[in-house]
Formats: sequence, C-alpha cells, structure tokens
Amino acid sequence: QKEVEQDPGPLSVPEGAIVSLNCTYSNSAFQYFMWYRQYSRKGPELLMYTYSSGNKEDGRFTAQVDKSSKYISLFIRDSQPSDSATYLCAIPWPGSARQLTFGSGTQLTVLP
Amino acid sequence: SAVISQKPSRDICQRGTSLTIQCQVDSQVTMMFWYRQQPGQSLTLIATANQGSEATYESGFVIDKFPISRPNLTFSTLTVSNMSPEDSSIYLCSVESDRGRYNEQFFGPGTRLTVL
Repeated sequence: QKEVEQDPGPLSVPEGAIVSLNCTYSNSAFQYFMWYRQYSRKGPELLMYTYSSGNKEDGRFTAQVDKSSKYISLFIRDSQPSDSATYLCAIPWPGSARQLTFGSGTQLTVLP
Repeated sequence: SAVISQKPSRDICQRGTSLTIQCQVDSQVTMMFWYRQQPGQSLTLIATANQGSEATYESGFVIDKFPISRPNLTFSTLTVSNMSPEDSSIYLCSVESDRGRYNEQFFGPGTRLTVL
C-alpha cells in the first residue's frame, strides 16, 4: 500500500464548476498536509498548507482534512481556465529530515 | 521565496552516456533535494544534499548511478550516469522554504531528460 494515494484523473470541467480533488493516506502519524500545483513544464508550487483536521480557505481554494478517515481534499470554487494544472497532495514524514511524500497527481483541465 | 534555476531545461541523450544537471538558488540554503518525476507519476525523492557532506540517498537510488555534488550553499549538481531509456524523466531540484512552514519546499522548473 502506498503511503499516499490520489485520485488519478484526468479531470475535465467547465469554467465555473466546483472541483474536488482527493487523497488518502495510510500513516496516522502524519500531521501536516499540503497541496502543490504544477503547471505544464514547470516545477510544483505550494498552493495550500494545513495542520489538523477541518477546513482552511484561501480565496477560491479550500483544503479539508479528515484525520479520522485519513482523507484530504482540495476544493476549487468558480474554477477558471488558469486553474488548469496538475494538483499534487504532499505530506511530510513526521519528525523526519524534511522528506515529502507526494501523491501521484491529478491533472485538471478547466474548459472555457 | 527562493528562485531556482536548472540547466539544461531539457536534453536528449544516447544510451550509456551521462548527463549532469545543475541547480542554482538565488539565496543560501542548507538543504537541497533532488527528485525524479517519471511520465504520469508523482515525484520521488532521489537524495538530500547538504553542503559539506555526502548526499543521503533514498531507497532504490545509489551514488554510482546518481552522483551529487554540493560545493556551496547556492549550487548543486546531479549526474545521471550510464543512462538507459528507463532514466527518461523530469529531474527537479528543490530547497526548503525559509518562511518557517514545516517542510515547505520550493522547486526548480525541472530538467526534461529523454534517453534514446
């Protein structure tokens, strides 16, 4: 079993749609959760960062963590064509030398 | 945030040759990381490079295949040795953020390698 599993996609939605991107993880010791966005031919960039269960909002983006079910989600409201990218969940190893474990990524296309 | 550049941005290489990828950061950083991103797959950490010490390799990666140099606090190189088509991938370097966020990393744009 992989440490982090991510819905593979690809996902294609019309502009303005609400997008839901999801990951599950297996290690209950994980405490911090991140979402990275990677545009084509670019390196990943940090989009959202959360610690603990619950929701965290940043503009049109909401990160949700459910530690009881080891499930994390990223919601994008009013999606735009500029949101078209690959989204990767990432989880730091607890107490480690800074290692990040990434999900496989979900490729999102928002159609105008 | 750190600005990271990589050279080359892409290359096409012959089987059995080696390629050295350079990573330059615009500020001094303690730790640099090298990742591989194979087509359609996630990022896999190859090794962690501290200035002045040997790189630490993850399971499945060895120094003979992926030698790393870290001569100073702003620069690192990764060499992909004796390449085969299975080494075709995107190679990315990253550094830790200095914004105090746990494990946040900034990534370079990547080097897209194709081995024929």
